[in-house]
Formats: sequence, structure tokens, C-alpha cells
Amino acid sequence: EAGVAQSPRYKIIEKRQSVAFWCNPISGHATLYWYQQILGQGPKLLIQFQNNGVVDDSQLPKDRFSAERLKGVDSTLKIQPAKLEDSAVYLCASSPRARVSGTQYFGPGTRLLVL
Amino acid sequence: GESVGLHLPTLSVQEGDNSIINCAYSNSASDYFIWYKQESGKGPQFIIDIRSNMDKRQGQRVTVLLNKTVKHLSLQIAATQPGDSAVYFCAEKNSGGGADGLTFGKGTHLIIQP
Repeated sequence: EAGVAQSPRYKIIEKRQSVAFWCNPISGHATLYWYQQILGQGPKLLIQFQNNGVVDDSQLPKDRFSAERLKGVDSTLKIQPAKLEDSAVYLCASSPRARVSGTQYFGPGTRLLVL
Repeated sequence: GESVGLHLPTLSVQEGDNSIINCAYSNSASDYFIWYKQESGKGPQFIIDIRSNMDKRQGQRVTVLLNKTVKHLSLQIAATQPGDSAVYFCAEKNSGGGADGLTFGKGTHLIIQP
């Protein structure tokens, strides 16, 4: 079974620029999550999708961050404009909604550096 | 908001010894507790989880203990190997209402000495 795919793996941009990250979850997984992991900290949830609908975006900075999952499969996370404090690893995770356990499967992440 | 934390940022153990990583949580409503392992440059990897109505669960070389009285979670790794070197995170989940994003602690860096 293929894992969660993310691209790009690394991105360097200047502040005030825009950036987008892509995620392809494990096939058949209805639930998709985006997390932000700042260096030295645990991941922090940004947004959760169930199929193509948003379940929880309470921690998403909506003035600059946006995310979509139009067809209920792939997802993109965008930052516009980026700030220095957005430098972090952006992790995508997915889980099969049929299960009720806590298992979420993470991708390798996109490491963003904002200069 | 409530969060999950870990007691020690770094734990150093000898290869072959048993490791115990501890975690304190604060949300009594959480229904699952999960341990993840994260190696450098990689995403978190699921190790084991435990439902809130259990107090112990065993996997391959790992055991998770849950003490709801003192809100404490631990991960025991038997016969630690060099490949166990990583940062370990505990996380909690509250599935109420459909939103079940994880709340992570800061992590414990496990160092294996030869």
C-alpha cells in the first residue's frame, strides 16, 4: 500500500510571497489532515477534511492560509502572503473514516523556509 | 487550549536496555492516546495506540500504559535497538463531534548509546 505523498519536499521563498503544497492521501482514505510542525515542537493541526468538506479549521490562520480538497482525494494548502514565522514542516495525514481508532498516517512533509 | 506534554526532552539509554518514555495529558475527554515515532526528515510514524477504556496494550517490543487517575501515559520499548533512535511524541484524540485531529506534545528525543 502506497503511503501519503507530498510535494514539494523543500521550498524556500521570501516573505510576502505565495506558496502551495500538495498532498495525495492513501487510496480510499476519506479523512485528510494538514499539520504544521515548527522546529522542536509537535505537529499542530491546521485543518481536517472529511471527503471534500471541512470538518475543523479552527486553528487555520484564515487571513493567509487556505486549503481545499475539491474532489475528495488530493488536497492543496496555500499560504499567501508568507511570513517569517511560517517556516516549518507542513505535514499531511490521512485516515480511513470507517475505523474509530486514532491511527493517522503521515506523509514525509514539506519543509518551508521563509526568508 | 489543552495540550499533551512530555516530561523529558531527551532520554539516553544503552543499547539492549529497556526504555520508558512518559507523557502527561490534560484532556479527560480524549478517547484515544497514540504514540508516534519521528526520525529526522520524516513524518511521524504510528507506533501504538490505546483506547481510553483500557490501561495497557502491547505490541511488538512496545507496551503502552494509561493511568487515567493521574492522567499519565507511558511507552515502554523492550531491548532498545539503534533503529529506535528518534523523537517520540504522544498525542491525544477527542472524537466527539466528528473532528478528531490530534493534539501532540513536544516530544522526547531517544538516544541509543552503543
